[in-house]
Amino acid sequence: EAQVTQNPRYLITVTGKKLTVTCSQNMNHEYMSWYRQDPGLGLRQIYYSMNVEVTDKGDVPEGYKVSRKEKRNFPLILESPSPNQTSLYFCASSFAGPGANVLTFGAGSRLTVL
Amino acid sequence: GEDVEQSLFLSVREGDSSVINCTYTDSSSTYLYWYKQEPGAGLQLLTYIFSNMDMKQDQRLTVLLNKKDKHLSLRIADTQTGDSAIYFCAEPKAAGNKLTFGGGTRVLVKP
Repeated sequence: EAQVTQNPRYLITVTGKKLTVTCSQNMNHEYMSWYRQDPGLGLRQIYYSMNVEVTDKGDVPEGYKVSRKEKRNFPLILESPSPNQTSLYFCASSFAGPGANVLTFGAGSRLTVL
Repeated sequence: GEDVEQSLFLSVREGDSSVINCTYTDSSSTYLYWYKQEPGAGLQLLTYIFSNMDMKQDQRLTVLLNKKDKHLSLRIADTQTGDSAIYFCAEPKAAGNKLTFGGGTRVLVKP
């Protein structure tokens, strides 16, 4: 089944404890992206990647890091989480290039930072 | 999503039509999208429209595009309880596949 898999789905952590949210897709997509969803603010893009070893900042990259060493994986790293990073996170992927490139989303990772 | 605007909430009776509105910013957007988010799930593409079209119909869904006013709407005919969800419009921005989403419209269908 074609899908985007995120882990963990739920996490409660404490301020300053480094964590990684993994994202993997099995559709050979070039493009991958991380969003956070907060009430009333919709989805805001954190980072995106057009292909292996190519990453770029989205609208709200502060406090986050990403890497794209393999085409299928795009982990989101919070080096020193803070309470304002409590949110629902979504990873998404699609083919790149011209045309309507439809994003496939993961099920989401709900993160709480105490 | 500060550039793409949607109303926050819509309540509709089962069997009625729902209309969700969206205003976007970039008149050069080639495609405009509607995504649906059911409770506890990620977003799924509902439909999209190419910018050279005024209307697209897909079963119970009708998308209307007014490029002059940068206005996009989604009409759901014969709304059912399974249509209760958050609906997001989205437009591509700048390079690549970057999508900017609206804040989402929560649709509540009452029996």
